[in-house]
Amino acid sequence: DAGITQSPRHKVTETGTPVTLRCHQTENHRYMYWYRQDPGHGLRLIHYSYGVKDTDKGEVSDGYSVSRSKTEDFLLTLESATSSQTSVYFCAISPGTVYNEQFFGPGTRLTVL
Amino acid sequence: AQSVTQLDSQVPVFEEAPVELRCNYSSSVSVYLFWYVQYPNQGLQLLLKYLSGSTLVESINGFEAEFNKSQTSFHLRKPSVHISDTAEYFCAVSPDTGGFKTIFGAGTRLFVKA
Repeated sequence: DAGITQSPRHKVTETGTPVTLRCHQTENHRYMYWYRQDPGHGLRLIHYSYGVKDTDKGEVSDGYSVSRSKTEDFLLTLESATSSQTSVYFCAISPGTVYNEQFFGPGTRLTVL
Repeated sequence: AQSVTQLDSQVPVFEEAPVELRCNYSSSVSVYLFWYVQYPNQGLQLLLKYLSGSTLVESINGFEAEFNKSQTSFHLRKPSVHISDTAEYFCAVSPDTGGFKTIFGAGTRLFVKA
């Protein structure tokens, strides 16, 4: 299994509070991604990174920011959590091959009350 | 731009019966095609992929998928399912121009009943 961990695995928070989710990899892969998974929507890309300090937006980036100060860590921050951000969040990594095979972490279940 | 449509949101099937999970895609460029599987409370893991060559690809646990370019489909099949195959299955495409973007379908939940 690819060495990807996510923390925390579960979190309950209140509307308006900031939340940071962490993704850590031991594979030294160049690309890292944050997705959210919601019923009926599959996986939707929030943000991705193609190197240290190199990040870009995905299709559902509003209300989220990311940072990558080291190859192995990719942080996702909800600046002010809303109930619509209740979801399961997955981190993925990719070595950057042209076909973009991705390896996924175990997920973080976030509930915003 | 690419899009992926999984035609069934849920597929119930009895153990040892055959199953087909349908996937159609739309793209203006050639694509690579994937099926990922997600077991309960886990992340996604790659089941099989089509990159080039033979249009029929197989996984180690008995699933197969066939790339049909004319019908823009990549349906997943298994001739005899087990209880342990109960999971959600995602079809995905990635453009052959490279880059970061993989598009996932909405998923098909396979229920295998005893």
